[in-house]
Amino acid sequence: QVTLRESGPALVKPTQTLTLTCTFSGFSLTTSGMCVSWVRQPPGKALEWLALIDWDDDKYYNTSLKTRLAISKDTSKRQVVLTMTNVDPVDTATYFCARQKAVAGTSYIYGMDVWGQGTTVTVSS
Amino acid sequence: DIQMTQSPSSVSASLGDRVTITCRASQGIRSWLVWYQQKPGKAPKLLIHTASSLQSGVPSRFSGSGSGTDFTLTINSLQPEDFATYYCQQAHSLPLTFGGGTKVEIK
Repeated sequence: QVTLRESGPALVKPTQTLTLTCTFSGFSLTTSGMCVSWVRQPPGKALEWLALIDWDDDKYYNTSLKTRLAISKDTSKRQVVLTMTNVDPVDTATYFCARQKAVAGTSYIYGMDVWGQGTTVTVSS
Repeated sequence: DIQMTQSPSSVSASLGDRVTITCRASQGIRSWLVWYQQKPGKAPKLLIHTASSLQSGVPSRFSGSGSGTDFTLTINSLQPEDFATYYCQQAHSLPLTFGGGTKVEIK
């Protein structure tokens, strides 16, 4: 059974760095084609893709946020970590991680087939 | 980046109705289009991938079509559990992008 679970602080102060951890089971991020994405959703708003890391340790970011984001993986711990620097109240959202599979050797990626439950982060002083 | 535009932003429908949601990409994405369903307080659920392939376990009243820039999600015979928000997402190239969502409400 594939599962993902997000963890991190519920409250962060403006200008601080937010660190979120996605702990997964049931698959390996060393398997060709396997990827994990982070997605967020501000209250009452649409989904926004943030970042993806793949089995080959390639990393991709949301264009508007890429200067503030960093994604990494620890395959032995089965974790993917997302850091976001210099947070602002507009970063208040529920943050999800999700598994995806890529078509190796191409830019094509299948849908996010298994999601975590999400973790809610509020940015406030 | 590829922009995804969904319409309508909301639709009111009755049980048993057919509902159609459209999604337009700012450039051609072949069939690399995904549809999700999201209920309040829950994570999104994958419904359809590669524009028209139903994810395992998804009822057959859901169907997707289209290629290139224009895509459609159709829900036939709307059921109570279908009232939710639906999102499209392009899977053609990174960065990935979502549409703005379509809320299906009870009339």
